[in-house]
Amino acid sequence: GAGVSQSPSNKVTEKGKDVELRCDPISGHTALYWYRQSLGQGLEFLIYFQGNSAPDKSGLPSDRFSAERTGGSVSTLTIQRTQQEDSAVYLCASSLGTQAGNEKLFFGSGTQLSVL
Amino acid sequence: ILNVEQSPQSLHVQEGDSTNFTCSFPSSNFYALHWYRWETAKSPEALFVMTLNGDEKKKGRISATLNTKEGYSYLYIKGSQPEDSATYLCACSGNTGKLIFGQGTTLQVKP
Repeated sequence: GAGVSQSPSNKVTEKGKDVELRCDPISGHTALYWYRQSLGQGLEFLIYFQGNSAPDKSGLPSDRFSAERTGGSVSTLTIQRTQQEDSAVYLCASSLGTQAGNEKLFFGSGTQLSVL
Repeated sequence: ILNVEQSPQSLHVQEGDSTNFTCSFPSSNFYALHWYRWETAKSPEALFVMTLNGDEKKKGRISATLNTKEGYSYLYIKGSQPEDSATYLCACSGNTGKLIFGQGTTLQVKP
């Protein structure tokens, strides 16, 4: 695709339900990042995938959060047993990945998650 | 890279004013410094990526400098325009590629 695609754009769920957020990176980009922005906060790092390397999961806030990247392309962020504090905008970004950290990120338009 | 600090948190200027923001980061294990502009209802867009001490980048009225030894970068906007109103984010990476963002500086330019 032309850019990073995220779905859904908005998700309203009830506390305790599981949600899945999807990210489709730019074709050929091997690096993929997930961030979230809670109200009034900056961009919080969640997880980083680089090629076939083990992902850097150091930003996942609890074991309710998990992410996978299938076939080195599409990524899914799963939040189990959602809590109200999970409400945020979840942003996905990708980059070429040939020079780790030295390439600009292309961001998707985000998923606004609201947990009632 | 654990902690990236930006200042000020917000800024209000008049059209035509020049302004600058600061990004501070730990100088150890530094690899790259990024600046992004995030306009309301849009996605963040890259402005600059810098790696070398003393690097200077320019894009129209916006420019940035980098000091890796003391751990800071400045973003300058010359002759601010209302369309420059946005949140400006800086981010740093170590050599693993993991990119950590600061809290951002929100700029409001009044006509």
